[in-house]
Amino acid sequence: NAGVTQTPKFRVLKTGQSMTLLCAQDMNHEYMYWYRQDPGMGLRLIHYSVGEGTTAKGEVPDGYNVSRLKKQNFLLGLESAAPSQTSVYFCASTPLYGTQETQYFGPGTRLLVL
Amino acid sequence: DQQVKQNSPSLSVQEGRISILNCDYTNSMFDYFLWYKKYPAEGPTFLISISSIKDKNEDGRFTVFLNKSAKHLSLHIVPSQPGDSAVYFCAASESASKLTFGTGTRLQVTL
Repeated sequence: NAGVTQTPKFRVLKTGQSMTLLCAQDMNHEYMYWYRQDPGMGLRLIHYSVGEGTTAKGEVPDGYNVSRLKKQNFLLGLESAAPSQTSVYFCASTPLYGTQETQYFGPGTRLLVL
Repeated sequence: DQQVKQNSPSLSVQEGRISILNCDYTNSMFDYFLWYKKYPAEGPTFLISISSIKDKNEDGRFTVFLNKSAKHLSLHIVPSQPGDSAVYFCAASESASKLTFGTGTRLQVTL
């Protein structure tokens, strides 16, 4: 039982390049989330999904797209990376009938956009 | 607009003493509050929570206090241990599916 995993762990991009961050969970959770963590800003919600095939915008969705084609995977895409997207990205998941405290986080992906 | 605020970016406490981490919120619709702990290069992990119908919740060395009239909550760690050194995030929820996080407080417990 790996919990929540994220790939890659670290990536360097040039401005304008695209990439996809992968989040996978093996706990059969319904809800999945993408956050970014920046110094002095805490964790901010980018997009989230309440089930397979559904996505919704969070607090800071601009410049990102997401897809939830399979229940266990939640992909975060950057179509044209910008230096402002340099951050640490965390994925999290929670079961449908769990309480708010059962949000499980992955180890994070550190992204540097030059 | 930051709905959940942690005004102290860092805190240093001696081992064995009490650590008090504070959090303020502005949204009166928040009904559930949580503290997460984060070590470097790891994701946040859940520490303790409290419902808005309570004013205190205790779990071992960790106690969370909620003052709804002041829109303030605090996390007390007694006694503090070196392994408690981490970044602590306060979070609040008004629905089961979304959390709003504070900016975090870095706690350092010194020997």
